[in-house]
Amino acid sequence: DTGVSQDPRHKITKRGQNVTFRCDPISEHNRLYWYRQTLGQGPEFLTYFQNEAQLEKSRLLSDRFSAERPKGSFSTLEIQRTEQGDSAMYLCASSVTPLSGSGETQYFGPGTRLLVL
Amino acid sequence: KNQVEQSPQSLIILEGKNCTLQCNYTVSPFSNLRWYKQDTGRGPVSLTIMTFSENTKSNGRYTATLDADTKQSSLHITASQLSDSASYICVVSASTGGFKTIFGAGTRLFVKA
Repeated sequence: DTGVSQDPRHKITKRGQNVTFRCDPISEHNRLYWYRQTLGQGPEFLTYFQNEAQLEKSRLLSDRFSAERPKGSFSTLEIQRTEQGDSAMYLCASSVTPLSGSGETQYFGPGTRLLVL
Repeated sequence: KNQVEQSPQSLIILEGKNCTLQCNYTVSPFSNLRWYKQDTGRGPVSLTIMTFSENTKSNGRYTATLDADTKQSSLHITASQLSDSASYICVVSASTGGFKTIFGAGTRLFVKA
């Protein structure tokens, strides 16, 4: 297993267009996270799944954003009617549910860099 | 308000020197603290993870400390190398029923030859 993969690595789109990103987590990782990161900042949480269930969504995830993980494996993040403010790096991470009392390590993908013109 | 603050914002050191990065947090109730290294244009990579009962953890030339009483952590890099040039991000998670993980803005480290 080569780790978390994301596709595409780069995306340039015009304002108003829809875009979809894909994340393939590490095999057998039941948790999957989406983050957004802008230049010079740490990642900001968007949403996370445990298996196929979307358990939490950030207030940052407006109604133009939707994420799915239909079979509990790969996930997609779609942004509708993109705006220039959506330009950022979109990171995916996966992990396994930690044992009680232990910490959870998230393994990140390389990210998808989105530029909205 | 749950926050993670890192200092300095950026740091320039000479190859071979040591450095220490700081992380202060107010996340509560505390669950664990992680340090990640992020190279430019790539996803973060985990360096260390510490829970409440751990106060130091090493990973090669990286040593993280945690003081849960003062809510401070540090990441010490020994004998820096050019490849250490990256952003170092402190991440703190709370032990709540919901998801609560707060990322710091990172410290940008530049190692010069």
